[in-house]
Amino acid sequence: GAVVSQHPSWVICKSGTSVKIECRSLDFQATTMFWYRQFPKQSLMLMATSNEGSKATYEQGVEKDKFLINHASLTLSTLTVTSAHPEDSSFYICSATDDYEQYFGPGTRLTVT
Amino acid sequence: GQNIDQPTEMTATEGAIVQINCTYQTSGFNGLFWYQQHAGEAPTFLSYNVLDGLEEKGRFSSFLSRSKGYSYLLLKELQMKDSASYLCAVYTGTASKLTFGTGTRLQVTL
Repeated sequence: GAVVSQHPSWVICKSGTSVKIECRSLDFQATTMFWYRQFPKQSLMLMATSNEGSKATYEQGVEKDKFLINHASLTLSTLTVTSAHPEDSSFYICSATDDYEQYFGPGTRLTVT
Repeated sequence: GQNIDQPTEMTATEGAIVQINCTYQTSGFNGLFWYQQHAGEAPTFLSYNVLDGLEEKGRFSSFLSRSKGYSYLLLKELQMKDSASYLCAVYTGTASKLTFGTGTRLQVTL
């Protein structure tokens, strides 16, 4: 099956700093990648949809200047959390698709101290 | 808007059968996915229904009724490792987006 990787798997950063998370599709070219956030005991909340070579589409309520998304190639998308605050601590999951089925990465646990 | 509801928590006994329901009201519908998610891990694909009826895959089956906006996931011969969250998600067909339900945490006990 299709494999999606994320790096890092976990990260701890200080308040006010920025953190970059990478999402890669390893064995297929992803036309679209998605970024989700998941708080404890809650479901996945879509943050943005990312297409290669174009600007990401953000869901309502998600600050595009805080969560910067770059989709430089058909196999790589990055999410940068800028000026991180403790309330940004969460589990961030990416997914990639080349049709309708989404393949999920293993997730990145972000803790902001 | 999009509204997808599931029970928050369920408990069942090892070896038993459990049915997890999902009701949805969405602006579009092109199929419904079920995912399993263990704590701290990414969701893993279980099933995809696009037509009405029952899809069986080993111990897991999924049912869809588009006219009723209803689906369920049926887990048979429960095992302890089935303790996880189960997420239903509707593919609306818009930009390949999935809208996830609230998720159901299943606890399997001895």
